[in-house]
Formats: sequence, structure tokens, C-alpha cells
Amino acid sequence: GAVVSQHPSRVICKSGTSVKIECRSLDFQATTMFWYRQFPKKSLMLMATSNEGSKATYEQGVEKDKFLINHASLTLSTLTVTSAHPEDSSFYICSAREGGAFYEQYFGPGTRLTVT
Amino acid sequence: RKEVEQDPGPFNVPEGATVAFNCTYSNSASQSFFWYRQDCRKEPKLLMSVYSSGNEDGRFTAQLNRASQYISLLIRDSKLSDSATYLCVVSLNTNAGKSTFGDGTTLTVKP
Repeated sequence: GAVVSQHPSRVICKSGTSVKIECRSLDFQATTMFWYRQFPKKSLMLMATSNEGSKATYEQGVEKDKFLINHASLTLSTLTVTSAHPEDSSFYICSAREGGAFYEQYFGPGTRLTVT
Repeated sequence: RKEVEQDPGPFNVPEGATVAFNCTYSNSASQSFFWYRQDCRKEPKLLMSVYSSGNEDGRFTAQLNRASQYISLLIRDSKLSDSATYLCVVSLNTNAGKSTFGDGTTLTVKP
């Protein structure tokens, strides 16, 4: 149980285009989903927290107009990187949690984004 | 000071060794604690939750010390497959509470 999928697993796009990444909880309902990015050999950096049906809460320094997050249902959250630039190239990972902070987070397999 | 701090590592140990990692947290209101492992270029996977009374899962033992605000992970009889980065995770007790990840400690188990 507790499977989280993420799609696509890898994407290459040109500067200026937008990329949408989907995160789905397959066998549980996720009241909260988190989006992270990770640079090589660095720790996870939380970008935003999204609760189903409400606006995402972004971490300091993360541009909400650039990284659009939609958590439309209890099993799906999307992250759209708008007007992508090469510096947006990174490993983006989502996680989902069934309830409050006592619950574990389960991670998707990640999406490796390369912007050329 | 970081909210969650881990041993800097890396830890290089021979197979069969016992190794311990510590993790300290700064927010005394923290209520939930976890250890995750992350393999290279993969997503983190839950290793174990950490309970107040301590808990054990096979070769892995996790302890929580609220007074000193640290958690620990002990790995006995290390296997080559234990080589990974171990992440300490701390959460506040709110429904929307985010989790704070440590930077991780890298373990390499050698034959």
C-alpha cells in the first residue's frame, strides 16, 4: 500500500515553455501533498504544501506564479513550471500524506526536468 | 541554526559493523519523527517512524530523547545494501504541518 506515482519521470523542454508534473496517490486519499526539489548531492528543499481544495502554501523564496500548484482532488496534485529556464532544471519530487503530521509521507519516484 | 541537524558523515563502515546516527531538532513543539532512506537518484523511502518509547525493526532501532531534542538510528550487522543516505524528518503536530528534513547522512558499507 501507500503508493504514490509521478508523471512524467523525465522531461526535457526548451526555455520559455511550461511543464506540468502530476502526482497521484494510488491507494489512499492524500489530504496533504508536498512538492520538493533536489539538486545533486543536496538535501530536499520543500517548495510548497498543498491541501485538497485550498491554495498551496509556498515556502519563502519560491515564486508562486512560476510554480503553479493545483490540488484538485484527494488523489491528484499538479505542479506546473511556467516559462521554464535552465536554472529550473532539477529533480522534482512530490509526497503525499493521508492525514496530519503523525502520518508518514510517501514519495513519488520524482521527475527529472532538464530545460535547454 | 538549522531546524533539523544530522551528523555530517559520511560514514564508511565494514560489513557487520554497528553504526549510529544522531539527529537534533530545534523546535520543542515537534511531535512526529521519522527516518527515511534515500538511494542515489531515487526518492526517499520511509524506514521507520520513531516513537517515544523507542522502536525496533529487525536490525534497526530508533530512539527519541525529547529532553535533549534528538533522535537516533542504530543499524546493527550492517549489510552492503544498507548503503544509502539516511534522512531525519521532524514534524509539528498540526493537520497541515509540514515536515522538516535534515540534510541526510551518507552511509557506505564496504565488504
